[in-house]
Amino acid sequence: SAVISQKPSRDICQRGTSLTIQCQVDSQVTMMFWYRQQPGQSLTLIATANQGSEATYESGFVIDKFPISRPNLTFSTLTVSNMSPEDSSIYLCSSFGGIEYGSTEAFFGQGTRLTVV
Amino acid sequence: RKEVEQDPGPFNVPEGATVAFNCTYSNSASQSFFWYRQDCRKEPKLLMSVYSSGNEDGRFTAQLNRASQYISLLIRDSKLSDSATYLCVVNNAGNRLAFGKGNQVVVIP
Repeated sequence: SAVISQKPSRDICQRGTSLTIQCQVDSQVTMMFWYRQQPGQSLTLIATANQGSEATYESGFVIDKFPISRPNLTFSTLTVSNMSPEDSSIYLCSSFGGIEYGSTEAFFGQGTRLTVV
Repeated sequence: RKEVEQDPGPFNVPEGATVAFNCTYSNSASQSFFWYRQDCRKEPKLLMSVYSSGNEDGRFTAQLNRASQYISLLIRDSKLSDSATYLCVVNNAGNRLAFGKGNQVVVIP
């Protein structure tokens, strides 16, 4: 199994500012994923973070708004840029079990509860 | 049509009773299926994978019907600690997961 440490766990931010969320995995993983979960809604995939190449964004999400870094196989960041109250949500990172396991079980970070005021 | 559809409920279940719910998925090429549990203000955690032959884990039974494109979860002898949201998750090509809204279960003493 994989353990993912995500921080910050929560933040309250002023509109127009940016917040960077970090996720650290305790084993090497090929892909990491960033999700958003709005109140009462399902998880929505924002993008897939690939090591050594640009992230792959889902429809409705763009790099300028949600830049992602993936400097190595255990770490990724998501930045929520130029925030507005509509960005208030829970953001979750995820990966599958380590490379060596070929796991199909997805693991999640603890989530970042973002409130934009 | 949404990739994964679930009736969010809530499902109010007397302690000790049985509760069952389904989810439907739209992509007939979906490869694997899961039920995740999400407690309030927590991240989702895997409850069980769902296999074509159906599978059981203690009080929990999962079924997959590929022809009708739905999966089900049954909880027997409900405990208060079963109160949570149960997310139906489908793995499409490229390990791209699609999530339902979740079935909110409230077990009542």
